[in-house]
Amino acid sequence: QSALTQPASVSGSPGQSITISCTGTRSDIVNYNYVSWYQHHPGKAPKLIIYEVNNRPSGVPNRYSGSRSGNTASLTISGLQAEDEADYYCSSKGSIIRVFGGGTKLTVL
Amino acid sequence: QVQLVESGGGVVQPGRSLRLSCAASGFNLNVFGMHWVRQAPGKGLEWVSFFSAEEARGFYADSVKGRFTLSRDKSKNTVYLEMNSLGVEDTALYFCARDGPHWDVDWWGQGTLVTVSS
Repeated sequence: QSALTQPASVSGSPGQSITISCTGTRSDIVNYNYVSWYQHHPGKAPKLIIYEVNNRPSGVPNRYSGSRSGNTASLTISGLQAEDEADYYCSSKGSIIRVFGGGTKLTVL
Repeated sequence: QVQLVESGGGVVQPGRSLRLSCAASGFNLNVFGMHWVRQAPGKGLEWVSFFSAEEARGFYADSVKGRFTLSRDKSKNTVYLEMNSLGVEDTALYFCARDGPHWDVDWWGQGTLVTVSS
């Protein structure tokens, strides 16, 4: 099963908004409402920030939001802060349990 | 408090075996399924395997099917990943993670490093 496709990197200045895309297929994103997003600061455990396309777990700021259109899911971070600098991964229910994206490095300028 | 602690990583020669452990606390492995996800150096996350609490069996990515085997020790609240016929392509940081209620992965460990090298 192929990985979901994400841009390798995005960047933005503090206070700005950025969007990270995640492109899949009918085997995953298109057919399931089970897209999740993870924030990973290297050296730490990844953290769930979005589940079921656009839901935030308790404690995740509402600056993080998710959406989906067709075969592409998106993560938007508004009001960028320095601590948002991290790697971000999308994931979906797939034909074999789970599939992850290749990851996007967010740089806060 | 949910906590996942991986152990068992190390340096191993190609073709050899290694067993990773994931000790869980704060929840019961009889109820929650567990994933292993790995990150090769400089690469993204790759889903490796899932142990279903309901079915008490494992599911595997094609890249490890037939070589990796999952098991669970209820008394220790621990899952194991037995890795055989290791190749250099298996070099990665291996995370264990809890299967969440929304087809997500809601808790992650910090990972254990596996290096396959001659």
